Amino acid sequence: AQSVAQPEDQVNVAEGNPLTVKCTYSVSGNPYLFWYVQYPNRGLQFLLKYITGDNLVKGSYGFEAEFNKSQTSFHLKKPSALVSDSALYFCAVRVWVTDKLIFGTGTRLQVFP
Amino acid sequence: KAGVTQTPRYLIKTRGQQVTLSCSPISGHRSVSWYQQTPGQGLQFLFEYFSETQRNKGNFPGRFSGRQFSNSRSEMNVSTLELGDSALYLCASSLEPQIPNYGYTFGSGTRLTVV
Repeated sequence: AQSVAQPEDQVNVAEGNPLTVKCTYSVSGNPYLFWYVQYPNRGLQFLLKYITGDNLVKGSYGFEAEFNKSQTSFHLKKPSALVSDSALYFCAVRVWVTDKLIFGTGTRLQVFP
Repeated sequence: KAGVTQTPRYLIKTRGQQVTLSCSPISGHRSVSWYQQTPGQGLQFLFEYFSETQRNKGNFPGRFSGRQFSNSRSEMNVSTLELGDSALYLCASSLEPQIPNYGYTFGSGTRLTVV
């Protein structure tokens, strides 16, 4: 069965420091992986996706993610965090040959000034 | 181009009532999926529609139903509301399924409160 795990409920980082939000996955077939961000009382905003190709995927707002097939991971990264990056981040995997996304439990990112 | 539009944004209903939520996808997108978000259960898949046909359904009781119209707009209905149905309901649209390089665009959601 397909699944996504986000092992950290919350990540705290100081502004200007690099940040990493972790995600591991379990899929059958090719993994189509996504990162979304959610601000309070809003829907999900797309950050980036991995479909195929380069293992380092660049996305919106300076975020990037590294696909690691051997470790079945898709960690979200940013070289320099901003206070405005504080939000809830979701990793998701597409179920093969459907439009169904399976989401992780979410990681709350808190960036302190 | 306009994004995914969900109406209404907020809704308060009484236990036992029914509710209908609407989702208009991005123009040209033909696939619509629905998700329920709650603090306890996180984001859970409800159903997926393409070309007016339900392609997949999540593990929700039959009180939850949906449909898609010929213009790709979708509605979901919840009958006999329970307190536990209080949630943010999110709709996502995509071009069409089974195309590898596509993404999903989410609406802002409908916040349903059952009292």
